[in-house]
Amino acid sequence: EAGVAQSPRYKIIEKRQSVAFWCNPISGHATLYWYQQILGQGPKLLIQFQNNGVVDDSQLPKDRFSAERLKGVDSTLKIQPAKLEDSAVYLCASSLTREQFFGPGTRLTVL
Amino acid sequence: QKEVEQDPGPLSVPEGAIVSLNCTYSNSAFQYFMWYRQYSRKGPELLMYTYSSGNKEDGRFTAQVDKSSKYISLFIRDSQPSDSATYLCAMNPDTGFQKLVFGTGTRLLVSP
Repeated sequence: EAGVAQSPRYKIIEKRQSVAFWCNPISGHATLYWYQQILGQGPKLLIQFQNNGVVDDSQLPKDRFSAERLKGVDSTLKIQPAKLEDSAVYLCASSLTREQFFGPGTRLTVL
Repeated sequence: QKEVEQDPGPLSVPEGAIVSLNCTYSNSAFQYFMWYRQYSRKGPELLMYTYSSGNKEDGRFTAQVDKSSKYISLFIRDSQPSDSATYLCAMNPDTGFQKLVFGTGTRLLVSP
């Protein structure tokens, strides 16, 4: 069974630029999550989708972050404009039940 | 106060030692407790998953939950250098697919 796929794996941008991350969940998993993991911290949930509807986006900085899940499968997370404090690993996870499976993450560096 | 507290370490042990990793939490609604292992530059992978209080064993790994003390533990027996990683505790309530709340992670180093 293929795992959660994410791209790109690494991204370096200047502050105020925009960036987008892509996630392809495990086939059949209805729930998709985006987490932000800052160095030395545990992952923090940004947004949770159930199929293509948003379940929880309470910790998503909506003035600069946006996310969508097309047709209930793939998802993209966008940051515009990026700030220095957005430097982190962005993890995508998916689940069928309560167990969440994580992708390898995208490491973002904002200079 | 954070909802989940975890000592960041690093915790250094010799090969073969018994390792004890711990988390405390403040939200009494938490019912599901997980331990994830995260190798450098990889995503977290689920190691153990327990519901409510009690113990669960899987090979060299044992997870314990003490809800009365709001304290969870992961024990690793006969630790190996390949166990060197960051161990994250995570938990959520027993109501639908609630978000996981993670600890900061404890970095474990097992030396040969």
